[in-house]
Amino acid sequence: DADVTQTPRNRITKTGKRIMLECSQTKGHDRMYWYRQDPGLGLQLIYYSFDVKDINKGEISDGYSVSRQAQAKFSLSLESAIPNQTALYFCATSDLASGDHNEQFFGPGTRLTVL
Amino acid sequence: GQNIDQPTEMTATEGAIVQINCTYQTSGFNGLFWYQQHAGEAPTFLSYNVLDGLEEKGRFSSFLSRSKGYSYLLLKELQMKDSASYLCAVRGNAGKSTFGDGTTLTVKP
Repeated sequence: DADVTQTPRNRITKTGKRIMLECSQTKGHDRMYWYRQDPGLGLQLIYYSFDVKDINKGEISDGYSVSRQAQAKFSLSLESAIPNQTALYFCATSDLASGDHNEQFFGPGTRLTVL
Repeated sequence: GQNIDQPTEMTATEGAIVQINCTYQTSGFNGLFWYQQHAGEAPTFLSYNVLDGLEEKGRFSSFLSRSKGYSYLLLKELQMKDSASYLCAVRGNAGKSTFGDGTTLTVKP
């Protein structure tokens, strides 16, 4: 079973709709992140959370909101989707004791298309 | 803030060695990561440097010079499956990482 899961994997929606992307993890990590990736580009940080009561804006938080419902769950919402939010979205987790060097572990991604 | 630069594309031959460079300018530094990302898939961790020098891990090595704001990823004995994008990421003092745009490596027979 995957340690970091994202739902849905693919979504097509219309401009103005509210969309929620969900992320769950079984790694027991405290830190969770949401990134977007546009074609040919790297990952841009949208929001991140270092524990259940902690929420921080990343580089490109405008038009997005998040909810950390539990240690294992971190949801990303697009309040009113617009076409330039069409992208591949990744959730990631890490922990001060994760892996060898606190590296991030990524979910499989959600491909979102806004028409 | 963080500014990270790496070449957009590189091409190499199967069995050869390739070096992917990354330069960075940061307001804080707490480690540099390299991730591999195959098209349409999630990034996966390759290597980490926090002190100057070379870290070797099988066919992959990564080098860091903090004074120069410079790192490279060295891939030896290239295989076709190494065709992917390679992302350089710098972790700042706040614990979050900034990613470069990635270098797309194409390995040819």
